[in-house]
Amino acid sequence: DGGITQSPKYLFRKEGQNVTLSCEQNLNHDAMYWYRQDPGQGLRLIYYSQIVNDFQKGDIAEGYSVSREKKESFPLTVTSAQKNPTAFYLCASSIPGRNEKLFFGSGTQLSVL
Amino acid sequence: GDSVTQMEGPVTLSEEAFLTINCTYTATGYPSLFWYVQYPGEGLQLLLKATKADDKGSNKGFEATYRKETTSFHLEKGSVQVSDSAVYFCALSDHAGGTSYGKLTFGQGTILTVHP
Repeated sequence: DGGITQSPKYLFRKEGQNVTLSCEQNLNHDAMYWYRQDPGQGLRLIYYSQIVNDFQKGDIAEGYSVSREKKESFPLTVTSAQKNPTAFYLCASSIPGRNEKLFFGSGTQLSVL
Repeated sequence: GDSVTQMEGPVTLSEEAFLTINCTYTATGYPSLFWYVQYPGEGLQLLLKATKADDKGSNKGFEATYRKETTSFHLEKGSVQVSDSAVYFCALSDHAGGTSYGKLTFGQGTILTVHP
C-alpha cells in the first residue's frame, strides 16, 4: 500500500541535542510538507518542498532544518535552537497539480527530557 | 493574514444526534475550503472540500457549504456514530498569487466525542 511513513512514533530530546524526524513516502508525490501540531492551536507549517533539492520556510521555521535529497524522503531536524520543541509533528505530501489535498503520515510526538 | 476560527470544543454527543461544527474564515483572495479529520493516533485525512462560493462538499454523511456572504464553512451531519469520534479541522487555501502549494491555514481543531 502506498502512503507516508513517519518514524519514530515517539522521540525524546535532551537539552542541547539535535534530533531528526524521518518522513518517507512512496506515493510519487513531488511536494512534501512538515507541520507542527500543538494542543488547541491547530497545525502550523514549518517547511515545505515542491521538488528535490529545493525547499522553503513556512510560518515557524526558526529552530528547524530540512533536506530533500530524494523525492521520497523529507527529514526534519529539530535543532537545539528550538526552545519549545515539545509537539506533535506531521509530515504530508500532495499530488502534483493538486497541492491542496494533503496526505498525512501518522505523526511523531517529540518530548523534551 | 489568513485565519480560520472554529467553534470551541470539545463537543460531546449521543449516537444519532445532529452535529454542527462552526467554522469562519478571513482571507485576502478566493480561498478553497476544507474539512480534515484526525482519528486517534493518526494523521489527518481530507473529509471534504469546496472550491468556490455556494459549493457544497460532502462525504461519509458529512456536508459543508461554502458561504461567501458570511465567510463560513460549517460542518454538519444528520446522525453521528461512535466511529465519528475524532478531531475535526477546518482549513483554507488562499489562491492569491495563483498557487497554494499545500500551504493550508488550519483552525485550532474541534474534538468530537460520540457516546453510544
